Amino acid sequence: EVQLVQSGAEVKKPGESLKISCKGSGYSFTSYWIGWARQMPGRGLEWMGIIYPGNSDTRYSPSFQGQVTISADKSISTAYLQWSSLKASDTAMYYCARRDGSGWCSSWGQGTLVTVSS
Amino acid sequence: EIVLTQSPATLSLSPGERATLSCRASQSVSSYLAWYQQKPGQAPRLLLYDASNRATGIPARFSGSGSGTDFTLTISSLEPEDFAVYYCQQRSNWALTFGGGTKVEIK
Repeated sequence: EVQLVQSGAEVKKPGESLKISCKGSGYSFTSYWIGWARQMPGRGLEWMGIIYPGNSDTRYSPSFQGQVTISADKSISTAYLQWSSLKASDTAMYYCARRDGSGWCSSWGQGTLVTVSS
Repeated sequence: EIVLTQSPATLSLSPGERATLSCRASQSVSSYLAWYQQKPGQAPRLLLYDASNRATGIPARFSGSGSGTDFTLTISSLEPEDFAVYYCQQRSNWALTFGGGTKVEIK
């Protein structure tokens, strides 16, 4: 069974750094793209970017280019989303998702809630 | 970046009724469009992909149509568990985008 398990909720202050994770299991981690999506409180889904763990090829949506860094460690089947300096506007639920053979995200993590507040 | 516009924003219907949701793209996405369902406190779930193909385990009451810029998700007869928010997503290029969502609520 394909599973994506995300790290737990985080509470941070503006200006702090953060790295959240998404661990894949039940499939060949290096063979499927993993993407990240943001959902701000009470709002819709926004696609942030995607990485191919096999070679670390990464593509960012224009709105998120330069704002976050997506990476992966294939030795431990884990993808990451990180910020170098958080803002209050980064407060949101963040989901990882696996792009399957159809090219679509059929498997999702449970989400990681990030709260940024002074 | 391709913009997806969903309408209506909210659809108020009763169980057993037919739901018709629309998704319009700012430029052609061919058939590279999917629909997701999201319930409160849950991750999105893939319903349909490539405009009209049901994902694994999705009931036949969910169907999709369209190509190019205009797409429709139809729920033939609403079940209580279908009341949720529905999003369309395109992948015609690497800058994937979601629509703003349609909330299907109980009338």
